[in-house]
Amino acid sequence: GESVGLHLPTLSVQEGDNSIINCAYSNSASDYFIWYKQESGKGPQFIIDIRSNMDKRQGQRVTVLLNKTVKHLSLQIAATQPGDSAVYFCAENNNAGNMLTFGGGTRLMVKP
Amino acid sequence: GAVVSQHPSRVICKSGTSVKIECRSLDFQATTMFWYRQFPKQSLMLMATSNEGSKATYEQGVEKDKFLINHASLTLSTLTVTSAHPEDSSFYICSARGSGQDSGTQYFGPGTRLTVL
Repeated sequence: GESVGLHLPTLSVQEGDNSIINCAYSNSASDYFIWYKQESGKGPQFIIDIRSNMDKRQGQRVTVLLNKTVKHLSLQIAATQPGDSAVYFCAENNNAGNMLTFGGGTRLMVKP
Repeated sequence: GAVVSQHPSRVICKSGTSVKIECRSLDFQATTMFWYRQFPKQSLMLMATSNEGSKATYEQGVEKDKFLINHASLTLSTLTVTSAHPEDSSFYICSARGSGQDSGTQYFGPGTRLTVL
């Protein structure tokens, strides 16, 4: 069935380096994508979103890239900090159902 | 803005007990609320979608008689786990979306850790 998945379950980066977290989706009908950050024992926190009519969107230290041709989504974090350590989920919205489907999550570990 | 709260944050109960979890949107009116369950080291799994004033829509495999959802107002939805058993132990998270917000954007509560002994 349609699903959203991640390539890497764990990503370890050095403090100050840039991080890239990837996500593949398979539902071509999805038109809205969101990245969430979840720290241990807490609910997901909205980071950034992008609509399917865009291929790039930038926030504060974060950039989301969308490649609809290969159904790929990525989250780039610039100058990664210890506070960025968390599990990151991509989610896709199927406009027909207006529900979010979450990927499996990637754990980002920042080494000091 | 877009703050969602949950209460309680943590609950431990005996098997057979019913547990009610509240989800509130604090600074916006949530026409739609969602309930998720998350097991350790796993992703969020949608349990049900509730629209204010109507019956909840449950995902396949989720027992509606066991997980009672009430969305009586635009700022409050409740999930009641009836006759809880140890296998119901999990992290329950709600999210909310308002009518004036971007389609698809959901704001999440902090979660409720349920432990059934």
